[in-house]
Amino acid sequence: QQQVKQSPQSLIVQKGGISIINCAYENTAFDYFPWYQQFPGKGPALLIAIRPDVSEKKEGRFTISFNKSAKQFSLHIMDSQPGDSATYFCAAGGTGGGNKLTFGTGTQLKVEL
Amino acid sequence: DTGVSQDPRHKITKRGQNVTFRCDPISEHNRLYWYRQTLGQGPEFLTYFQNEAQLEKSRLLSDRFSAERPKGSFSTLEIQRTEQGDSAMYLCASSLNAGGETQYFGPGTRLLVL
Repeated sequence: QQQVKQSPQSLIVQKGGISIINCAYENTAFDYFPWYQQFPGKGPALLIAIRPDVSEKKEGRFTISFNKSAKQFSLHIMDSQPGDSATYFCAAGGTGGGNKLTFGTGTQLKVEL
Repeated sequence: DTGVSQDPRHKITKRGQNVTFRCDPISEHNRLYWYRQTLGQGPEFLTYFQNEAQLEKSRLLSDRFSAERPKGSFSTLEIQRTEQGDSAMYLCASSLNAGGETQYFGPGTRLLVL
């Protein structure tokens, strides 16, 4: 099963708050888990990515938490800002599959003042 | 700009017409991917190339779709006899090599089939 399930579908957070988006996968062959940010009319842009040999990766205000046994991973956006308002996609890829990416359905984040 | 470029950015066509999209990857990126994204959904994989070789095609890529990367540089995606269900954003991405390297996406070509 190639599916990647993402939740929530939409999220409203106050400025300065923490935004949390969750994803779950089924295919244990996946070994690369990126998060992409997409603004309307634009292509997705990579935010941060993780491999299953680590449980957490942090880059600036963005952190990925990874739970290999549960086959789940999440994105935390600390100190959320209005400029973070966008759609976020988790994805999963496997080197055995040419690293083609299977994307979640997306989370529309709105950060309010 | 040294990013992935796609042309055209928008295309409106009538049902039954053929359309062709072009993708120019980042220079020296040997992997090139095509994805399709419909409104409110994540991108879905269509096909990918390693240099000029097309290595995999999704079931989503019907016989009406064909992709080429003749010299291992730019790629084209052609849709023959377009249908209204083909209306979507067609995204191209490139990466330097396999093994989890970042895929850099272009701005996409938005297709509307009337």
